[in-house]
Amino acid sequence: DAGVIQSPRHEVTEMGQEVTLRCKPISGHDYLFWYRQTMMRGLELLIYFNNNVPIDDSGMPEDRFSAKMPNASFSTLKIQPSEPRDSAVYFCASSPPGGGYGYTFGSGTRLTVV
Amino acid sequence: QKEVEQNSGPLSVPEGAIASLNCTYSDRVSQSFFWYRQYSGKSPELIMSIYSNGDKEDGRFTAQLNKASQYVSLLIRDSQPSDSATYLCASRDDKIIFGKGTRLHILP
Repeated sequence: DAGVIQSPRHEVTEMGQEVTLRCKPISGHDYLFWYRQTMMRGLELLIYFNNNVPIDDSGMPEDRFSAKMPNASFSTLKIQPSEPRDSAVYFCASSPPGGGYGYTFGSGTRLTVV
Repeated sequence: QKEVEQNSGPLSVPEGAIASLNCTYSDRVSQSFFWYRQYSGKSPELIMSIYSNGDKEDGRFTAQLNKASQYVSLLIRDSQPSDSATYLCASRDDKIIFGKGTRLHILP
């Protein structure tokens, strides 16, 4: 398996622009998670899906952030409009059915908003 | 608020010695516990899972869990320079909560 695939690896955008991050989970994994990592705050859970349904979005910072999972093999995280404080590494992770397992992380997207 | 607490370090350990990493967690209903290793600029990598009280060994790594004390630890025997990384402790109930990580530096 190719693992969790994220794109793009790096994104530099101007403040106010829309940013879309993409994720393909491991086939057969029914949990998908979006995390954001910064030096100050560590790894923060933004939202997670189970069987394509959003279960907990309490970590989404504000209405500028939205996430979708239209099918079992694809998810997006969108920021509109972007702000400099959104600069971070965004990770997608997936885990198998059962709920008690560890996650496999993608390589992450390093977002810089200038 | 569910939390996982770790000492941020850095923890410096001579090559060949035992590195001991510790964390505590606040959620008593958590059933699964994990250690992840993260190299600078890379994504977290799962290295150990532990689900019941006691010790679990995998090669040079031993994870220890004490649910009564809400305490998880990771021992790395015969530490190597390649073990230098940030180690993230995590607990899972419905979702994984991560600590902020301990930076480990193995001194050659």
